[in-house]
Amino acid sequence: QQQVKQSPQSLIVQKGGISIINCAYENTAFDYFPWYQQFPGKGPALLIAIRPDVSEKKEGRFTISFNKSAKQFSLHIMDSQPGDSATYFCAGGNNAGNMLTFGGGTRLMVKP
Amino acid sequence: DAGITQSPRHKVTETGTPVTLRCHQTENHRYMYWYRQDPGHGLRLIHYSYGVKDTDKGEVSDGYSVSRSKTEDFLLTLESATSSQTSVYFCAISELTGAEAFFGQGTRLTVV
Repeated sequence: QQQVKQSPQSLIVQKGGISIINCAYENTAFDYFPWYQQFPGKGPALLIAIRPDVSEKKEGRFTISFNKSAKQFSLHIMDSQPGDSATYFCAGGNNAGNMLTFGGGTRLMVKP
Repeated sequence: DAGITQSPRHKVTETGTPVTLRCHQTENHRYMYWYRQDPGHGLRLIHYSYGVKDTDKGEVSDGYSVSRSKTEDFLLTLESATSSQTSVYFCAISELTGAEAFFGQGTRLTVV
């Protein structure tokens, strides 16, 4: 039972391009939607997160777009850099006991 | 990195043997989690704990048990290791279920 579906599984982008990763969730009780970034050999680390009271959140080159009615959210990486090459995970959860449920991950490669 | 230490970092074990992985935190966070990471499946929750001696099952708990006798330590035991349990195991901690989770560096377990 996969409550959070993530696409694509892999993505290749040229340096300077825009990387877009999409997620869809099923549990309408979720009210916290983070994105995690993972480099090889490391644990995932929080990149950016959003709550459903806003439709967009931007931190530097990273933006989350959130569509509550469609139960979808996406990560946009502007001006993608080779250093952004990593695996990205979306997730959903809430403070009422719903543990973070993760998507399947997207392996991003940014070519120089 | 948040104060999370996983041990061992790497382990090779034989089918049928018991294995225990340890997670130690210095952050005094209430929640502790064990996830496994497999290609195409993202991070799947095995078990979690919401306090000393308070634990519950996650999505993929069969064949695993956990214990938390102190706030800072969360142990994951594979009662009789099987090849399907070959994976990378991550411990995570958080103050709340719907808040940032901090991950350890992971344990790569190979069952031969």
